[in-house]
Amino acid sequence: DTGVSQDPRHKITKRGQNVTFRCDPISEHNRLYWYRQTLGQGPEFLTYFQNEAQLEKSRLLSDRFSAERPKGSFSTLEIQRTEQGDSAMYLCASSWREGGYNEQFFGPGTRLTVL
Amino acid sequence: DQQVKQNSPSLSVQEGRISILNCDYTNSMFDYFLWYKKYPAEGPTFLISISSIKDKNEDGRFTVFLNKSAKHLSLHIVPSQPGDSAVYFCAARRLGGNNRLAFGKGNQVVVIP
Repeated sequence: DTGVSQDPRHKITKRGQNVTFRCDPISEHNRLYWYRQTLGQGPEFLTYFQNEAQLEKSRLLSDRFSAERPKGSFSTLEIQRTEQGDSAMYLCASSWREGGYNEQFFGPGTRLTVL
Repeated sequence: DQQVKQNSPSLSVQEGRISILNCDYTNSMFDYFLWYKKYPAEGPTFLISISSIKDKNEDGRFTVFLNKSAKHLSLHIVPSQPGDSAVYFCAARRLGGNNRLAFGKGNQVVVIP
């Protein structure tokens, strides 16, 4: 399967702990996005990479959140000192920059529960 | 603020009939619109899209209509099938916005066999 993969699929942690999620995009895609989805809401944009460069961050991405894409391939999203309000589904998506319109392909998500 | 709005959070339709999902947006800078389908425990799956230079795009059983003056789009599914039961998200991209998507809250569709 050559789709977007995310690991882990589920994470339960205690408040105050750090967590790290990984996203492997579709191999030829150079754009990678992180979104967060809470219950009853649509996905909300967090941050965006083109190759290894992080080009945009949402104001939702507090200083406890950091994302990297060191070699322009996989990406990690780390949350430090987790809070209960961080409980959500974290979705990764990728796309290829070609022409003007590029649909994003989503991974299955990592569901985070902060106790 | 919610720039993409999907009202009527749930819809039940008989198999074989038409499903119509509506979406309204507020940002006139949006130039590209997408519909995604999501099953439980899976990520959203791209369904169909339309650029702002068109008013209709069709792909098999799925047709998206765009009314720019009303800032409104709709998704028609004809005929509806039980496998179409899912949550449908409307999304929009802003011109020059790095392709980031703004999503609505979604519509739950249940197709009754």
